[in-house]
Amino acid sequence: EDQVTQSPEALRLQEGESSSLNCSYTVSGLRGLFWYRQDPGKGPEFLFTLYSAGEEKEKERLKATLTKKESFLHITAPKPEDSATYLCAVQAGNNFNKFYFGSGTKLNVKP
Amino acid sequence: DAGVTQSPTHLIKTRGQHVTLRCSPISGHKSVSWYQQVLGQGPQFIFQYYEKEERGRGNFPDRFSARQFPNYSSELNVNALLLGDSALYLCASSLGLAGPAYNEQFFGPGTRLTVL
Repeated sequence: EDQVTQSPEALRLQEGESSSLNCSYTVSGLRGLFWYRQDPGKGPEFLFTLYSAGEEKEKERLKATLTKKESFLHITAPKPEDSATYLCAVQAGNNFNKFYFGSGTKLNVKP
Repeated sequence: DAGVTQSPTHLIKTRGQHVTLRCSPISGHKSVSWYQQVLGQGPQFIFQYYEKEERGRGNFPDRFSARQFPNYSSELNVNALLLGDSALYLCASSLGLAGPAYNEQFFGPGTRLTVL
């Protein structure tokens, strides 16, 4: 069964303390892996799409990487405004009309 | 440019009632998907529509139905509401179904449904 697992569930960092969030997946034929940021009470905001192992994408303090089994979202020198829940989702080849989301990692960056 | 819009923002219903939620996609996007997000969980896929046809369905009961109109806007209908239907309902739009960039989904702000 297609499955997406994110860890840790919650992460508290001091401002400037770099870290990584993990998204591991088990799907039949990955078509794409997507990272989103979600603020409380709002819809997810699109960050990145990764399509193949070895691919990397960067945006400001965020960098997403992809292997055959997992993806990492690296946060370099985070700021308090980076505090949010980060969601990953996969689009599976055997059912490409369906996105599977993980439960998210809630990031809290303290000044 | 306007993003995905949803209405209403908030809704309170009682058990057994019916609800209709509405979504307008980004201009030029032909695919709309619906998700249910319970507090503390990731979004769960309900439906995807493309060119007015259902192209994907998640594990939700038949009380949930949807449709897409010629202008690509969409409605999600839920009948016989249960307490467990209380959630944030999200709509996402994309250019199409498959291919790089075509399947990147952009979400609206959601409709918060409370069932009492």
